[in-house]
Amino acid sequence: DTGVSQDPRHKITKRGQNVTFRCDPISEHNRLYWYRQTLGQGPEFLTYFQNEAQLEKSRLLSDRFSAERPKGSFSTLEIQRTEQGDSAMYLCASSPPTGGWEQYFGPGTRLTVT
Amino acid sequence: AQSVAQPEDQVNVAEGNPLTVKCTYSVSGNPYLFWYVQYPNRGLQFLLKYITGDNLVKGSYGFEAEFNKSQTSFHLKKPSALVSDSALYFCAVRDMRGTYKYIFGTGTRLKVLA
Repeated sequence: DTGVSQDPRHKITKRGQNVTFRCDPISEHNRLYWYRQTLGQGPEFLTYFQNEAQLEKSRLLSDRFSAERPKGSFSTLEIQRTEQGDSAMYLCASSPPTGGWEQYFGPGTRLTVT
Repeated sequence: AQSVAQPEDQVNVAEGNPLTVKCTYSVSGNPYLFWYVQYPNRGLQFLLKYITGDNLVKGSYGFEAEFNKSQTSFHLKKPSALVSDSALYFCAVRDMRGTYKYIFGTGTRLKVLA
């Protein structure tokens, strides 16, 4: 069990550019979540995948945000036309297929939009 | 609508004394309740959960929490605090009716003084 990994750990981009983040969940976990966390706040839910199906999206996920999990393993989160307000820590978490829905979080990707 | 409140931004306690970190919630249906801890420069770690059954649940590192349905609370407790417990603690809730979305509180910083 190597834990949830995220890549990159840090990303600095200019406003208007597109960015993509990757999340590799724990291997046997079929449930995957994306969150956004800003300073002084708790994680804000963005989206949930069960296997390859995206079952829920937050209204926070504007049309500039998209997430995929094409083969039910790793997932990507893309932000198009980044804005300064997108600067935050983006967290990925996974949960096993059975049990009590506790989540195992990755280290996060810190995005800075200049 | 779901919501979580952590009324204290910071809790200070002397080493060896009992600690309590407060959490109240609001959901339409039955809640799943969780506590997570975030140490400096590390990802969120699962501590404990309430799904059903006994109102007192025990978790990692000697922590426990009590589910109180009438007061809609899920306070985190430990009988004897350690300096190493100093960290940021997040309460989270999921309404089991019709959503996979988790709501996190804004976090409580616990400082255990030697």
